[in-house]
Amino acid sequence: AQKITQTQPGMFVQEKEAVTLDCTYDTSDPSYGLFWYKQPSSGEMIFLIYQGSYDQQNATEGRYSLNFQKARKSANLVISASQLGDSAMYFCAMREGRIGNQFYFGTGTSLTVIP
Amino acid sequence: DVKVTQSSRYLVKRTGEKVFLECVQDMDHENMFWYRQDPGLGLRLIYFSYDVKMKEKGDIPEGYSVSREKKERFSLILESASTNQTSMYLCASRTGGMNTEAFFGQGTRLTVV
Repeated sequence: AQKITQTQPGMFVQEKEAVTLDCTYDTSDPSYGLFWYKQPSSGEMIFLIYQGSYDQQNATEGRYSLNFQKARKSANLVISASQLGDSAMYFCAMREGRIGNQFYFGTGTSLTVIP
Repeated sequence: DVKVTQSSRYLVKRTGEKVFLECVQDMDHENMFWYRQDPGLGLRLIYFSYDVKMKEKGDIPEGYSVSREKKERFSLILESASTNQTSMYLCASRTGGMNTEAFFGQGTRLTVV
């Protein structure tokens, strides 16, 4: 079974509007961490935001926030006030609690911001 | 400044060649990873290492091997390159904490002809 599912291969958003990128995950480990990364066309992977499974509040980092719904096993990324520079691939990732564990990545969502 | 450096940005190799992809990190991280990125498939883990000389298979280890003789260096080896190994290869490293992100290299675009 897929550990991380991103069902939106491509998304479009108007500049200055908000957009939500979906991510659902699958784990039986009670301790896990969820991460979002941005990959612009230049190829580097940029870490955006982290949410721990025991965190009570949704994570926020500037214009990025994570809508964490534990019961639904979803960790959607919300980008507010989209900018042209937000056009990129976005990947959701998960780390389970076991030592030395790998990061599981989703297939990514390509976001295009329209002027 | 945190750094993960991959030895080549672009590589072109012939079918059957032995290929080495090198990755070096300067952050004293215990864990290092090799991923392969293909359109529509996301990042798939090939191998990872949680300590010197320790390695574990990821989801797609077939056709690959790895070496970690020093903490800062993690090498990916394609024993006999094939055209279906044409891809973008990403190296990453991180500490062992639950909430610490992985830091990535700039990627190596490998083409096998």
